[in-house]
Amino acid sequence: GAGVSQSPRYKVAKRGQDVALRCDPISGHVSLFWYQQALGQGPEFLTYFQNEAQLDKSGLPSDRFFAERPEGSVSTLKIQRTQQEDSAVYLCASSFFSRKGYQETQYFGPGTRLLVL
Amino acid sequence: RKEVEQDPGPFNVPEGATVAFNCTYSNSASQSFFWYRQDCRKEPKLLMSVYSSGNEDGRFTAQLNRASQYISLLIRDSKLSDSATYLCVGTSNTGKLIFGQGTTLQVKP
Repeated sequence: GAGVSQSPRYKVAKRGQDVALRCDPISGHVSLFWYQQALGQGPEFLTYFQNEAQLDKSGLPSDRFFAERPEGSVSTLKIQRTQQEDSAVYLCASSFFSRKGYQETQYFGPGTRLLVL
Repeated sequence: RKEVEQDPGPFNVPEGATVAFNCTYSNSASQSFFWYRQDCRKEPKLLMSVYSSGNEDGRFTAQLNRASQYISLLIRDSKLSDSATYLCVGTSNTGKLIFGQGTTLQVKP
């Protein structure tokens, strides 16, 4: 079946522009995660949804970053007034379910490669 | 100190070699453990889970030592296709994955 999809795959933004990154999780997956991966580093957690509820946004680097999942399926990560340090790959992952003490496999999308000039 | 730490390498080995990667983790990343594989410009993909009893999948063996907060991955009989970055991953009690920096493996003919 279809995996996690993300769009756009590549985005070039001028400093100060707003961007919106989309994630379509695997159908039926309850949990959705966003990660940021800088060059040469492992992915870093940004935020987590269970259905439409944003249960953890502790990884969002500043109030310029905002994520939503209004109907519990597709999610959008929005970055306002982009800065050069926002340049990274933004990865979305989904899993059937996650709860305390139990970890379902997370399946990753191909990522959106963001370059801020 | 990072929550999951691993040597970034690179590890350059000949085909057929055995190679071992290690990583250490902190208490906040100690719920469950995994090794993910990431090819250049691709997304991470689950390689295997890691259990205290050890876990073997073909040429790959993963081991967890909770007393030392240490995780290992052993690859036997390396293939050219094993060339990739190997990410050591812990999880928090909320389910978020906590990644190490990744260890780069290059298998040469």
